Amino acid sequence: GIQVEQSPPDLILQEGANSTLRCNFSDSVNNLQWFHQNPWGQLINLFYIPSGTKQNGRLSATTVATERYSLLYISSSQTTDSGVYFCAWGFGNEKLTFGTGTRLTIIP
Amino acid sequence: KAGVTQTPRYLIKTRGQQVTLSCSPISGHRSVSWYQQTPGQGLQFLFEYFSETQRNKGNFPGRFSGRQFSNSRSEMNVSTLELGDSALYLCASSLTTNEQFFGPGTRLTVL
Repeated sequence: GIQVEQSPPDLILQEGANSTLRCNFSDSVNNLQWFHQNPWGQLINLFYIPSGTKQNGRLSATTVATERYSLLYISSSQTTDSGVYFCAWGFGNEKLTFGTGTRLTIIP
Repeated sequence: KAGVTQTPRYLIKTRGQQVTLSCSPISGHRSVSWYQQTPGQGLQFLFEYFSETQRNKGNFPGRFSGRQFSNSRSEMNVSTLELGDSALYLCASSLTTNEQFFGPGTRLTVL
């Protein structure tokens, strides 16, 4: 089946630092989403990005579908950026396959 | 526009009981998907409904079932609860672009 791998599994950074989270997937894609899971468990949509590059404030994402990876960039990290980030892959139907997540901790 | 809502938010049951969880999608969204999140297995797809029909099903036992109503609201049911069913159950809705939007989840504890 499809493999969705996220790296690194854990990341600890000082406030103000930049970070890059990676998501590798093993098959063609037509749905790639990035989520931030808040402390109460809700998945907050960050990007819907099956291909190309998008930016939203301090966050940006790039998906290179032909090379089967996606990157999430966080610049000038703030403590509120802490939490678990998930990428999720989909193709042809509504089923999303999630990676195991990257736990980001921002230290003041 | 209101987001995806799920009720109840928290639930405690005992082994052998059954439970029903509810999900109301974003207005206009006709697809509803359910996911289970546990520390050991991560986020796993349960099933997806569109226009009252189950279109896709994950690898879960038959104790897990669902349905969708004509107003797109969906329920999922777990019968004969086991300790391992303790999890966060997340519901998502989508329109036509496949982008899914998630509700706050129902945290189920089985004692």
